[in-house]
Amino acid sequence: KNEVEQSPQNLTAQEGEFITINCSYSVGISALHWLQQHPGGGIVSLFMLSSGKKKHGRLIATINIQEKHSSLHITASHPRDSAVYICAVRYRGSTLGRLYFGRGTQLTVWP
Amino acid sequence: EAGVTQFPSHSVIEKGQTVTLRCDPISGHDNLYWYRRVMGKEIKFLLHFVKESKQDESGMPNNRFLAERTGGTYSTLKVQPAELEDSGVYFCASSRQAYHHIQYFGAGTRLSVL
Repeated sequence: KNEVEQSPQNLTAQEGEFITINCSYSVGISALHWLQQHPGGGIVSLFMLSSGKKKHGRLIATINIQEKHSSLHITASHPRDSAVYICAVRYRGSTLGRLYFGRGTQLTVWP
Repeated sequence: EAGVTQFPSHSVIEKGQTVTLRCDPISGHDNLYWYRRVMGKEIKFLLHFVKESKQDESGMPNNRFLAERTGGTYSTLKVQPAELEDSGVYFCASSRQAYHHIQYFGAGTRLSVL
């Protein structure tokens, strides 16, 4: 059973706005991934987290292991950030690489 | 370094026909994964190869799906016979190690079964 929940499902923003996408999961994990998929494009890995916070350019990913929650933030959003953002987890205790995915968040940034 | 490549990018077939999808992982990546996204649903795991061995095939929906990875290089996923509910986007991913390593995804194959 998939227990990875993302919110919101759809998000519209004006260029320059600060964006937050949330991901929650129900059981212990060993790693959480944030992925990006542009329309018609492949899936790109943005971050892999097991604790704390990571930053890459305008993107910041945080994870709270106790709360079983992660957030992806985009600062100074731009129309090229428009994409589907997907959260995926690997459950703790699994030695295999299998990922469990959320349904994704469709982000649209207007100029 | 070439990324994960998938072929074809789009396949349209009729119910009952056979389709074979191909995935070429990044060179040197022993781990290869197949995933599928059905319309409106989340991406779901199908199976995981380590080199040429099936490490985990618990996500394969039924025996109409056959995956192979001869020689531990490229992989094929055959659907025979295809049914309407098999329509979706099939993604392949590869990683150097299975644990705590980023998976690199291909662009996917969009399968439409009519």
